[in-house]
Amino acid sequence: DVKVTQSSRYLVKRTGEKVFLECVQDMDHENMFWYRQDPGLGLRLIYFSYDVKMKEKGDIPEGYSVSREKKERFSLILESASTNQTSMYLCASGLAAANTGELFFGEGSRLTVL
Amino acid sequence: TQLLEQSPQFLSIQEGENLTVYCNSSSVFSSLQWYRQEPGEGPVLLVTVVTGGEVKKLKRLTFQFGDARKDSSLHITAAQPGDTGLYLCAGADNNAGNMLTFGGGTRLMVKP
Repeated sequence: DVKVTQSSRYLVKRTGEKVFLECVQDMDHENMFWYRQDPGLGLRLIYFSYDVKMKEKGDIPEGYSVSREKKERFSLILESASTNQTSMYLCASGLAAANTGELFFGEGSRLTVL
Repeated sequence: TQLLEQSPQFLSIQEGENLTVYCNSSSVFSSLQWYRQEPGEGPVLLVTVVTGGEVKKLKRLTFQFGDARKDSSLHITAAQPGDTGLYLCAGADNNAGNMLTFGGGTRLMVKP
């Protein structure tokens, strides 16, 4: 079974703090994604990566950055957390060769910024 | 921009009832997926439909892809409390690198 593991299930941070959210997948998938999920807004894509050291902006990249130094690991960074970044963050991975774009999600990281 | 609209947004039913969730778009998709997400967890893939008119069954769940590949439906027969969750449809477009467009979700509660 594909396993996507997110480092923290729940975090509470203060405004202005730097936040790292880590994601590791064990199926050698080329593609990795970070989404945020908010009530009424659905899943919104923040950043994605097709390969090591490659990153592409999604629909809402402002206030976020990412790092992909190894194929299995994709990190989301909030340089200076703000209250409007309180959300559920979901990491996902998928095969580049899959012609249907199926994704495997982690369990999510619920971030609260005070 | 491709959009996927799901309806209804919320559904509360009694155990044993049948229900249908709809996923509609004006755009054509190469394939469409359905995910279920339980509270506090990430979405889990249920099924992928690829061919227009395709019907797939997963126990009491029946998924259909529209003939024109613009819409899909999920029908649950004799719903059980374990079916409670958020159901998400997502469309993939081969012409856009298979990036997924997600619907807003249908939150289902099945009461015992």
